[in-house]
Amino acid sequence: NAGVMQNPRHLVRRRGQEARLRCSPMKGHSHVYWYRQLPEEGLKFMVYLQKENIIDESGMPKERFSAEFPKEGPSILRIQQVVRGDSAAYFCASSPNGMGDTQYFGPGTRLTVL
Amino acid sequence: AQKVTQAQTEISVVEKEDVTLDCVYETRDTTYYLFWYKQPPSGELVFLIRRNSFDEQNEISGRYSWNFQKSTSSFNFTITASQVVDSAVYFCAPLPSSNFGNEKLTFGTGTRLTIIP
Repeated sequence: NAGVMQNPRHLVRRRGQEARLRCSPMKGHSHVYWYRQLPEEGLKFMVYLQKENIIDESGMPKERFSAEFPKEGPSILRIQQVVRGDSAAYFCASSPNGMGDTQYFGPGTRLTVL
Repeated sequence: AQKVTQAQTEISVVEKEDVTLDCVYETRDTTYYLFWYKQPPSGELVFLIRRNSFDEQNEISGRYSWNFQKSTSSFNFTITASQVVDSAVYFCAPLPSSNFGNEKLTFGTGTRLTIIP
């Protein structure tokens, strides 16, 4: 059973460009979470999604960031018009259900904004 | 409001020594889950353990053990006979029942553990 997959593993963008980060949950998992880890910091929750629904996006910046988890295909975290402060590691996690289930994390995407 | 504290920012021990990482969690919730994750230098996050607040029995898995004391809101993690491969940042993350349904893990700031050969 493959784990959570994220791609790309490393992404370099220039200021003003768009970044698209993809996450495929573990097989059988319908709950996806995105977290951001700034350099030398812990992880901060961004958004929680189920298929076709955003459950909690309280950790998402109001501007430029969006997330989706379509019926078919991976979850996408999209950052428009990236700025240097967006440089971070973005982790996706998945769980089979909610209600305190263990969240299993992918390897992360390291975004560098030049 | 919930608060998780990992007071030890960095710890270094010599290989084969035992080491304990502290985690203190403050909450008004009586029901919650507690998780530990490991982040080795390669950067991925590895799940270690999940415990619920009703189970105060210590847990042992190989060289790892966890001591949960509800009275002191602590969920400490001990590595016995440490090895160089244990070098990593370790995160404690509670999930209170008030978050059940929105599943927002709150990570501690982490403890960077270095095992010296």
